[in-house]
Amino acid sequence: DTEVTQTPKHLVMGMTNKKSLKCEQHMGHRAMYWYKQKAKKPPELMFVYSYEKLSINESVPSRFSPECPNSSLLNLHLHALQPEDSALYLCASSQDGTVLTEAFFGQGTRLTVV
Amino acid sequence: DQQVKQNSPSLSVQEGRISILNCDYTNSMFDYFLWYKKYPAEGPTFLISISSIKDKNEDGRFTVFLNKSAKHLSLHIVPSQPGDSAVYFCAASPRGRGGKLIFGQGTELSVKP
Repeated sequence: DTEVTQTPKHLVMGMTNKKSLKCEQHMGHRAMYWYKQKAKKPPELMFVYSYEKLSINESVPSRFSPECPNSSLLNLHLHALQPEDSALYLCASSQDGTVLTEAFFGQGTRLTVV
Repeated sequence: DQQVKQNSPSLSVQEGRISILNCDYTNSMFDYFLWYKKYPAEGPTFLISISSIKDKNEDGRFTVFLNKSAKHLSLHIVPSQPGDSAVYFCAASPRGRGGKLIFGQGTELSVKP
């Protein structure tokens, strides 16, 4: 199983809503990531969890709140988002966040904030 | 400040010929480089990587070349196939920032039958 599974695939939410994006992997990877990709732009790192601890926060606004309940799951809690937060949100995992190995990406959640 | 640059937004190649995708970087602290392929509505798929201590890595039809003095890497696909048509992203990992990837803007490759 080399899959990273993200749910939902699509999400439309209002600016006052609270929603969560979910990510799951069963490859035994100990590092998990959230990336954001706007149209025609490269993916940009938001958060890195290594061994279930937040190791990198790329100065992401607090309306995005990551959570890593266990080594297989990664959530991104969303609250009071703005229309400019509409993007493709990609989850990734890799064997170990401290060594240089390739990251496996999920298909992403296409988020639209209205 | 774009630390990883792919200056060609698109490339068109005939089936069977070589595709060469280029990537330049500015940060000498990068010590690992990766190429990802992305189809529409899918996440990026890892293709091939290279450590900064090497200058070439080969995997089947894919070869990545690294020229550290020029801060340049390239991905060669030989022979190109129509199924290779996708957006290709170059990514780099800074030393000591384990797990962080900085992506280039991507190059859209179109392989014509």
